[in-house]
Amino acid sequence: QSVLTQPPSASGTPGQRVTISCSGSSSNIGSNYVYWYQQLPGTAPKLLIYRNNQRPSGVPDRFSGSKSGTSASLAISGLRSEDEADYYCAAWDDSLSAVVFGGGTKLTVL
Amino acid sequence: EVQLVESGGGLVQPGGSLRLSCAASGFTFSSYAMHWVRQAPGKGLEYVSAISSNGGSTYYANSVKGRFTISRDNSKNTLYLQMGSLRAEDMAVYYCARGGSRIVGVPDYWGQGTLVTVSS
Repeated sequence: QSVLTQPPSASGTPGQRVTISCSGSSSNIGSNYVYWYQQLPGTAPKLLIYRNNQRPSGVPDRFSGSKSGTSASLAISGLRSEDEADYYCAAWDDSLSAVVFGGGTKLTVL
Repeated sequence: EVQLVESGGGLVQPGGSLRLSCAASGFTFSSYAMHWVRQAPGKGLEYVSAISSNGGSTYYANSVKGRFTISRDNSKNTLYLQMGSLRAEDMAVYYCARGGSRIVGVPDYWGQGTLVTVSS
């Protein structure tokens, strides 16, 4: 069981907007930044969002992150077939002195 | 361009040992904390260990504490993970990843991973 909770799956049709949630606690999301990663099949994770809502250069602005209290969300607008991947949230946990991850959400583009 | 290249994975028997390496380039290695994260086949990401930029502080997941040792050689821009008393549940792709520049932080850049198979 992962420390951060994500839905195991999400789906949408091309052009739609989808959101993926990530729930934690006061020792992780509640007191630290949230990060999001995209993992395409057979590849390493790639940083998508850092510090709750910042995008690294090269990440399209279709991807956005937000945080409120002990929860966070990743939103993908204008869904494209190439967005089909696994998405993970992560944060530092002050109690565990460790990085904690969500269990991952498999996004299917219908 | 930040590059992280892992090596050292392979087949090892239960109870055996293995040392993973991660060669870093494209950034000032000695200024950043580093992480090891693993992913079992078909499963999610699992934090393994982290080390501060100067090697003075180390962190471990409970699942590997006492069996794995993280270290770094800043003169060689290389991160290591010495794994011992390996179990079937340690079988995974092991990724090295860059952490923060002032704190251990959360990974940003990741290597391509190296596969560790634990089987008799």
